[in-house]
This record gives sequence, C-alpha cells and structure tokens, in this order.
Amino acid sequence: EPEVTQTPSHQVTQMGQEVILRCVPISNHLYFYWYRQILGQKVEFLVSFYNNEISEKSEIFDDQFSVERPDGSNFTLKIRSTKLEDSAMYFCASSSQSGNQPQHFGDGTRLSIL
Amino acid sequence: GESVGLHLPTLSVQEGDNSIINCAYSNSASDYFIWYKQESGKGPQFIIDIRSNMDKRQGQRVTVLLNKTVKHLSLQIAATQPGDSAVYFCAENIGGSQGNLIFGKGTKLSVKP
Repeated sequence: EPEVTQTPSHQVTQMGQEVILRCVPISNHLYFYWYRQILGQKVEFLVSFYNNEISEKSEIFDDQFSVERPDGSNFTLKIRSTKLEDSAMYFCASSSQSGNQPQHFGDGTRLSIL
Repeated sequence: GESVGLHLPTLSVQEGDNSIINCAYSNSASDYFIWYKQESGKGPQFIIDIRSNMDKRQGQRVTVLLNKTVKHLSLQIAATQPGDSAVYFCAENIGGSQGNLIFGKGTKLSVKP
C-alpha cells in the first residue's frame, strides 16, 4: 500500500538555526499538507499546497516557515530561524483531492530545538 | 468558537467488547469528518470518513455515526482487539476550505486482554 514517508525521523537543532523537514507524498496525490503536534496537544494544521502554491495557511505558519516542492516527488517544510516553541512532531500528509477526501499521513519528524 | 472536542479522554474496554468513542464539533459549516487512529511513534492512520449528507457509514469492524442536529460524531469498534489500543482522533473539514482539517484532542483506547 502506498504511503507518505518523512525524513529524518528525529531532528535536533540549535535555536536560531534553519531546519528542513522532508516528505515524499503518495505518488498520484496532488494536495499536500503539513501539520504539527506539540507533545500532549492536538494535531494542528499549518499549510496546504496545490499546483505549486500555498492554498491555505494557519496563523502558526508565519514568515519563518516556507514550503517547497523542489521536484516531482519531494515536499519540504523549512523553518528559517528555529525557536524553542517550534519543538514538536511535524506530520506531512497528502490527498488525491482537497476537502472531501482522506488525507494520508506520514509517521512524522520529531523536531527538538535546544 | 470553532472546535472539535471529545467527551472522554480515556476509554478502557475488555477484549471482545464493543467500543464507542465520541466527538463533539461546533462548526455547522463542517461537511466532512474523519476518524484517525494514532499508535505510539506513528502518524495518524485513516480509519473511516463520512460526508455531511450521510448519517452512518460502515467499514470493517468500524461504524461512524453523524448527528448533525446535535453536532455529534461517534466511532464504534466491534469486537475490540488488543491491536485497537491507540489514541483516536476525530477531525472535521469546514466546507470550502482547502483541506484544513481541525482535529479533536484525542481519546486513548486501552483494550484489556
């Protein structure tokens, strides 16, 4: 069964450094998403991406965040200058359509900011 | 405000019994709902979904019920097995949004052998 894969599984970074989280969505999906989950809290939407541009973003997704689809298979989330409060699990998801189709999630990247 | 919440944060059931996990949502504009299962160290795994023009949908051992009158969603798991132990999340999509899923807090299901 096709799945979303994310790398690395765990990333430790010094505060203020840039970090790039990588995702390979399911190959025939067209819609891509990033979510985060702070320990013990809800999964929170960050951004949705379609046709090489952002479709929707939350208040969390400020100027420090950016997304890119550099080639036909990868989808990345960059945090320019990490803060302690960016420590969380970051999940990538993809779907064949937006809105009324299930999003399929990867197993996440645990980001730890020191 | 817009929120998705769960009535019971933990649920403990005996193996073989049926489980019911509940979820309340507050946004009447939501038109699509999903249940996810999350095991330790893994991402949310899709279980079943339902659109707002339906009130019941069945899968393999799982049933989702939607009551739009009281804005309530439930997940029923038949003959619960130890492998069903996980945290279960409901999520809603507001009509017209670009896939911005709003997740509930989660219910931890523990299955006793």
